[in-house]
Amino acid sequence: QSVLTQPPSASGTPGQRVTISCSGSSSNIGSNVVNWYQHLPGTAPKLLIYSNNQRPSGVPDRFSGSNSGTSASLAISGLQSEDETDYYCAAWDDSLKGYVFGTGTKVTVL
Amino acid sequence: EVQLVESGGGLIQPGGSLRLSCAASGFTVSSNSMSWVRQAPGKGLEWVSVISSGGTIYYADSVKGRFTMSRDNSKNTLFLQMNSLRAEDTAVYYCGARTVPTGLADCWGQGTLVTVSS
Repeated sequence: QSVLTQPPSASGTPGQRVTISCSGSSSNIGSNVVNWYQHLPGTAPKLLIYSNNQRPSGVPDRFSGSNSGTSASLAISGLQSEDETDYYCAAWDDSLKGYVFGTGTKVTVL
Repeated sequence: EVQLVESGGGLIQPGGSLRLSCAASGFTVSSNSMSWVRQAPGKGLEWVSVISSGGTIYYADSVKGRFTMSRDNSKNTLFLQMNSLRAEDTAVYYCGARTVPTGLADCWGQGTLVTVSS
């Protein structure tokens, strides 16, 4: 049972900007950093954003992360066909004493 | 280059046991936070367990008391001992390592499939 809520789907045309939200609570996003992952089922998850808004080396600057209170967002600008896959947020939860993932968002490039 | 290779998955009957391994290269398992996550068929990612560099281990409630995470520093390998397996444990299991300063893992293996079925 995920405690981080994401929209099930998001879409855009090539070149557009898409934003994915991740809603949590004071025990997770409100007090701990958020990571964002890109995941094609059956393959290794790929870290896009860590510490709310930091990009690992090799991740294009089209991907950006932000936080506000108990919510986080991932923005994908200049949408490309290869961005069509699943995206998850994740954070430590102080109450559960464990990591929690978001419900996941499937991005479709129209 | 950081590399993680999982093994040990397979078909197992309900109530059975399996031990997953995650062989690491390019970094030291004992110096980094390491995690297991899984993805059941048609479902999202689910965190399973984490071991800190200091050796503290946490488990998801869904596996607590049945799964045991450990590491062998001499082999630079992470393990997940899974007992009393249930149908709902059927999933692809991924091991991950954190080499960035904070948060869940940034480097992941390709995964190993565990199928619990009679």
